[in-house]
Amino acid sequence: DVKVTQSSRYLVKRTGEKVFLECVQDMDHENMFWYRQDPGLGLRLIYFSYDVKMKEKGDIPEGYSVSREKKERFSLILESASTNQTSMYLCASSNRISRGKASYEQYFGPGTRLTVT
Amino acid sequence: GDSVTQMEGPVTLSEEAFLTINCTYTATGYPSLFWYVQYPGEGLQLLLKATKADDKGSNKGFEATYRKETTSFHLEKGSVQVSDSAVYFCALTQRENFNKFYFGSGTKLNVKP
Repeated sequence: DVKVTQSSRYLVKRTGEKVFLECVQDMDHENMFWYRQDPGLGLRLIYFSYDVKMKEKGDIPEGYSVSREKKERFSLILESASTNQTSMYLCASSNRISRGKASYEQYFGPGTRLTVT
Repeated sequence: GDSVTQMEGPVTLSEEAFLTINCTYTATGYPSLFWYVQYPGEGLQLLLKATKADDKGSNKGFEATYRKETTSFHLEKGSVQVSDSAVYFCALTQRENFNKFYFGSGTKLNVKP
């Protein structure tokens, strides 16, 4: 089974702190994604990566950065945490769509609930 | 751009009732369509998918048919159980967009015994 793990289930940080959220997948997927989930807003894409050292902005990248130094690991960084970044953060991974790939749905980790005080 | 619209919740049903959650999409090409489910305190899990028009995805008694003419992918189940209580997300992706997923806002389902 595909497994996507996230470093913490719950995290409490202070305003202004630098925060690192880690995500690791074990299925050799090319694509990795970071979302935030807020009530009434569904999932919003923050950043994604389609290869090592490659990254693309999603719909709400402001206040965030990412790092992908290894294929299996994708980190989300909050440079200076603010209270409006209190949210549930979900990591996902998938195969790149191409011939021969059996499936390309996204596989999600359990989420990190971040509270910034 | 691509987008997904799904019915707002919450939806409250009695056990064994029929379920429909509406989902419509906007896309320029030929997307693949998905339903994901999120149980309390967990991440999203794939429920079913369809990759081309007229395909029917099914899993755990849930079904959805890819209707290109109405740009819809409605989720149905003939007889819901309390254990089906969760949030359901409709989503689409296209090869041309690096496999980015576009999710609906989610529909919360409450099933009462």
